Amino acid sequence: EPEVTQTPSHQVTQMGQEVILRCVPISNHLYFYWYRQILGQKVEFLVSFYNNEISEKSEIFDDQFSVERPDGSNFTLKIRSTKLEDSAMYFCASSDTPGTRSTDTQYFGPGTRLTVL
Amino acid sequence: RKEVEQDPGPFNVPEGATVAFNCTYSNSASQSFFWYRQDCRKEPKLLMSVYSSGNEDGRFTAQLNRASQYISLLIRDSKLSDSATYLCAGSNSGYALNFGKGTSLLVTP
Repeated sequence: EPEVTQTPSHQVTQMGQEVILRCVPISNHLYFYWYRQILGQKVEFLVSFYNNEISEKSEIFDDQFSVERPDGSNFTLKIRSTKLEDSAMYFCASSDTPGTRSTDTQYFGPGTRLTVL
Repeated sequence: RKEVEQDPGPFNVPEGATVAFNCTYSNSASQSFFWYRQDCRKEPKLLMSVYSSGNEDGRFTAQLNRASQYISLLIRDSKLSDSATYLCAGSNSGYALNFGKGTSLLVTP
């Protein structure tokens, strides 16, 4: 069964450093997403990406964050100048349709646990 | 204001029991609804979509009540392996999933 993959599984960084989280969406999917989950909190939407541009973003997704699809398979989330409060699990997801119907499904990767010290 | 709210539980039920979770949403423009299952420190996995007419998948039944703005999940004949956190999610934009904080279920022998 096709699946979303993410690397690394755990990233430790110092406050102020830049990190890049990587995702390989399911191959025939066209819509890509990043979510985060702070420990003990709910899963929060960050950004969606379609046709090489951001289609929607949340208030969390400020200038500190950026996304890119550098090639035909990878989808990345860059966090510049990380802060302590950026520590969370970051999930990538993909779907083959935009999610306006109940038949549209977002499939989640296993996540990258980011720890900012 | 929280868009999607769930009773966090935990719900402790014996094997074989029937358990129901409700989830309320505040945005009447929400179009699509889903139940996801999340095991500890793992990714959310789709359990089932929620259709307007209600839908069933084996031991699981989902209902949507647009007038009262809530969705429900019923689990019959609970198994030990059903122990997890159940996340309700709605989408009004077609892109972002708005998740509730989840309801914790523990099925005991």
